[in-house]
Amino acid sequence: AQSVTQPDIHITVSEGASLELRCNYSYGATPYLFWYVQSPGQGLQLLLKYFSGDTLVQGIKGFEAEFKRSQSSFNLRKPSVHWSDAAEYFCAVARFGGGADGLTFGKGTHLIIQP
Amino acid sequence: EPEVTQTPSHQVTQMGQEVILRCVPISNHLYFYWYRQILGQKVEFLVSFYNNEISEKSEIFDDQFSVERPDGSNFTLKIRSTKLEDSAMYFCASSGDTLDEQYFGPGTRLTVT
Repeated sequence: AQSVTQPDIHITVSEGASLELRCNYSYGATPYLFWYVQSPGQGLQLLLKYFSGDTLVQGIKGFEAEFKRSQSSFNLRKPSVHWSDAAEYFCAVARFGGGADGLTFGKGTHLIIQP
Repeated sequence: EPEVTQTPSHQVTQMGQEVILRCVPISNHLYFYWYRQILGQKVEFLVSFYNNEISEKSEIFDDQFSVERPDGSNFTLKIRSTKLEDSAMYFCASSGDTLDEQYFGPGTRLTVT
């Protein structure tokens, strides 16, 4: 069975600084990987996804993520964070794609932005 | 922009009572899902639904749970006899025929007392 680990429960970053959120997955085949963001009182919004091809994927809100098979990682990055980026971030994996399969989520990383 | 909606936003019920959580998926979507998130824990998959039947379910989705699409727009999750441990945020999601993304609703917070 697949699993996802997000080793950082909380991360605090100063506004304007760069950000990297870590995600490691365990899955026997080529995974389908996702990053979702959840703002307070909101549902989960997809930031970006990786299915195949270029291992560096671009998403919304200036986020990007890099798939590294050798490290079983899919870390999320942003060069300069804004106060509005404060939220909960979830990494997820699926077996067959984003829409035909239940997603397996990590526990999430709570991002705090310092002024 | 189309979105998934869920009602109610917060439901309080007594242990042993039945609850029905409601979702309106995006109108042209074909696949529907329920997830739950117990406070402080990860989001967990419960069930997926396609063509009026369950496609996949997790070990959490036992006989106490059922899903239904009673009409062309609603998708419901019923918990027959709630337990304290059913207290959680329940998320509905839907996806279209491209099968590349699940769109999530804002969730229903269920509190069982």
